[in-house]
Amino acid sequence: NAGVTQTPKFQVLKTGQSMTLQCAQDMNHNSMYWYRQDPGMGLRLIYYSASEGTTDKGEVPNGYNVSRLNKREFSLRLESAAPSQTSVYFCASSGRSGRKNTEAFFGQGTRLTVV
Amino acid sequence: DQQVKQNSPSLSVQEGRISILNCDYTNSMFDYFLWYKKYPAEGPTFLISISSIKDKNEDGRFTVFLNKSAKHLSLHIVPSQPGDSAVYFCAAWESSGTYKYIFGTGTRLKVLA
Repeated sequence: NAGVTQTPKFQVLKTGQSMTLQCAQDMNHNSMYWYRQDPGMGLRLIYYSASEGTTDKGEVPNGYNVSRLNKREFSLRLESAAPSQTSVYFCASSGRSGRKNTEAFFGQGTRLTVV
Repeated sequence: DQQVKQNSPSLSVQEGRISILNCDYTNSMFDYFLWYKKYPAEGPTFLISISSIKDKNEDGRFTVFLNKSAKHLSLHIVPSQPGDSAVYFCAAWESSGTYKYIFGTGTRLKVLA
């Protein structure tokens, strides 16, 4: 019953360092998403992948890159971390039920601090 | 430009009373709306949804109302319980469009015992 699994759960980076946040889902969902949550800002979409092989920018893509490695995995990369990227990052996935899209299922989040 | 707005950052309600959380949207192409609940240090979890062809959907203590002409939806929780204390996010989806969920800024609900 894993659902959406994110690693790591916590990370501290120095400004300028790079890292990749990993996400995997076992629900055979087509669509996957990366959001960040900041106080007073809600959940903002960074990047999403509507299906394997495609990725698109969301509301706040600057400073990030993504890779849809296969249907299960969608990673988020910070090439040169900045203090403004201190946030909680959530990965999510959603599928189809007939012609209707299912709700999005979220991982537990990654708390990232950039110092 | 915030397409989904939750104008009340917080709400306090007495246990047993009704909690009403509100959400407004600007994109008339949105046709599927959802509410999520989030506890600290956990991911958001799905609560209830409504399609734009309906104006009400009910699931136990939770009811979502949709007013398309006003581009407004609300979540009613009756009766409210202390375990309902959490942050609630509304989200919107456009079926014919870009395959992404747009979330609001959230409302922190505190149910007082």
